[in-house]
Amino acid sequence: AQKITQTQPGMFVQEKEAVTLDCTYDTSDQSYGLFWYKQPSSGEMIFLIYQGSYDEQNATEGRYSLNFQKARKSANLVISASQLGDSAMYFCAMREGQAVYTNAGKSTFGDGTTLTVKP
Amino acid sequence: DTGVSQDPRHKITKRGQNVTFRCDPISEHNRLYWYRQTLGQGPEFLTYFQNEAQLEKSRLLSDRFSAERPKGSFSTLEIQRTEQGDSAMYLCASSFGPATDTQYFGPGTRLTVL
Repeated sequence: AQKITQTQPGMFVQEKEAVTLDCTYDTSDQSYGLFWYKQPSSGEMIFLIYQGSYDEQNATEGRYSLNFQKARKSANLVISASQLGDSAMYFCAMREGQAVYTNAGKSTFGDGTTLTVKP
Repeated sequence: DTGVSQDPRHKITKRGQNVTFRCDPISEHNRLYWYRQTLGQGPEFLTYFQNEAQLEKSRLLSDRFSAERPKGSFSTLEIQRTEQGDSAMYLCASSFGPATDTQYFGPGTRLTVL
């Protein structure tokens, strides 16, 4: 079963506007972590933001914020004031409670959303 | 701190040949991960080391694949008798601290099997 679902294969946004990238996840664990990564055309995965399942507040990192709705099992990424350099592939990933307790930490990734910022 | 490095960045080989990739994690990181990414998909977990111990292997890792981290520092991933289906980007990541800590990725090795 797909554990991370990103339903938007591609998204377009005008420069300086905000954009939301969707991510839903599936887990039966109470303890888990959610991550967003950016992958530009060069191929390197760049960490953007992290949300723990017990965190009461939504995570923010500069222009990135994570809209965490635990009951709906969604962890959408919001990018404010889009820049041309934001054009890239964006991946949502999860590490589940079992991995937390055993310190394994392997991540399960979605299939990504390609974001294109238009000037 | 130079980040995670991988070598080579690109590898083209003929079917049936063996290939070996190297990953150098961030120096103080004790955990090292290998992932495989095919075009249009997210990375898939292959295997994980904590120090020199290989603690977990994915079912994706067939017996043609072997990974080592002999001194708990750099790691190698070897693919024997390569097949065209092995063509992919092989990503290495490292982390330190709690399991939910961020994994930092290297630039990847792109393998093309002809």
